Amino acid sequence: DQQVKQNSPSLSVQEGRISILNCDYTNSMFDYFLWYKKYPAEGPTFLISISSIKDKNEDGRFTVFLNKSAKHLSLHIVPSQPGDSAVYFCAAGSSGGSNYKLTFGKGTLLTVNP
Amino acid sequence: DSGVTQTPKHLITATGQRVTLRCSPRSGDLSVYWYQQSLDQGLQFLIQYYNGEERAKGNILERFSAQQFPDLHSELNLSSLELGDSALYFCASSLRQGQNTGELFFGEGSRLTVL
Repeated sequence: DQQVKQNSPSLSVQEGRISILNCDYTNSMFDYFLWYKKYPAEGPTFLISISSIKDKNEDGRFTVFLNKSAKHLSLHIVPSQPGDSAVYFCAAGSSGGSNYKLTFGKGTLLTVNP
Repeated sequence: DSGVTQTPKHLITATGQRVTLRCSPRSGDLSVYWYQQSLDQGLQFLIQYYNGEERAKGNILERFSAQQFPDLHSELNLSSLELGDSALYFCASSLRQGQNTGELFFGEGSRLTVL
């Protein structure tokens, strides 16, 4: 049972355009969400997060939108740069209780073409 | 550099063998998490330790075990290895048992190949 789904295994965009990566979740207990970026031969690195009390969080070129009713979140990268080419993982967690383990999606490979 | 150190980076072994993966968390971090990434799979949570105690278990097989030592480093032991255990094993750490943002700091991973 995949609680966090990234339905697009890959996405290709032109430099300077917007990249939109999507993520759906099924567990209503999730109340915070994160995006991680992973380059080859490196571990995932934290990119941006959002709590369920918000519907938007922005950090420079990166914006995450959360639609709780649809159980959907998206990451927008504007403008996209070749250095953004990486695998992007969506992750979700539940702050209830004492355990903050994250549930990850399978990732989307973003390729930004010069 | 996340500050999380994992060794070895690569490991090739045979079926039926046992291996130990080691993780040193960021300085000051008390929580250690182990994740497995198999081919075409996302990061699968295995187990979490906080200050030496097990806090959460995920899809960890009975053949696998882990521990966190007093100096906060952690080891993941994989035994009776099967071909399907070939994967990238990531360790991550965080300061508290759980952070408000849930941010984890990942090591570069240990790539295990079982032949």
